[in-house]
Amino acid sequence: QQQVKQSPQSLIVQKGGISIINCAYENTAFDYFPWYQQFPGKGPALLIAIRPDVSEKKEGRFTISFNKSAKQFSLHIMDSQPGDSATYFCAASKGGTSYGKLTFGQGTILTVHP
Amino acid sequence: NAGVTQTPKFRVLKTGQSMTLLCAQDMNHEYMYWYRQDPGMGLRLIHYSVGEGTTAKGEVPDGYNVSRLKKQNFLLGLESAAPSQTSVYFCASSYPRHRWNTEAFFGQGTRLTVV
Repeated sequence: QQQVKQSPQSLIVQKGGISIINCAYENTAFDYFPWYQQFPGKGPALLIAIRPDVSEKKEGRFTISFNKSAKQFSLHIMDSQPGDSATYFCAASKGGTSYGKLTFGQGTILTVHP
Repeated sequence: NAGVTQTPKFRVLKTGQSMTLLCAQDMNHEYMYWYRQDPGMGLRLIHYSVGEGTTAKGEVPDGYNVSRLKKQNFLLGLESAAPSQTSVYFCASSYPRHRWNTEAFFGQGTRLTVV
């Protein structure tokens, strides 16, 4: 049972374009929603995260949009660059001592063509 | 700071063999985790620990055991390896200072093949 569903599985974007990755969750107890970036041969690394009491968070070219009523959140990468080519995972966790226990989406392989 | 270090980085096992994966972190983190990554499945939590001497089951614990004898180390054991355990294993650690700062730091992974 996949509690966090991510789409698309793969995404190809031209340099300078906008990359959009979507996630949907089922468990309303989730209250922390990070995005992780993973380069080949490396472990995932935190990219950006949002809490459910805000609808949007922006850090540089990366923006999370969050829709609590729809139980959906998305990652937007503006002005996508070849260096952004990586696998992106959305994740979610519950409160209390569960904060570090992440439930991940299936991942999206992003390729940015020069 | 080395962060989270996993050993070994690669391993090939025969079905039925046993092995231990070692994870070490030098960030004084309380929480440590073992995940496995499979294509199209994302990362799934195997076991985790919220402190020295404590362990708990995650989403996919069957076939694995763990130990946290020291705060900085978290061991993942496979007693009798099966081909279904072929995967990339990631260790992670975190120190939740407060509700919105729970970044998990990951190691570089161990690629395990069971033949």
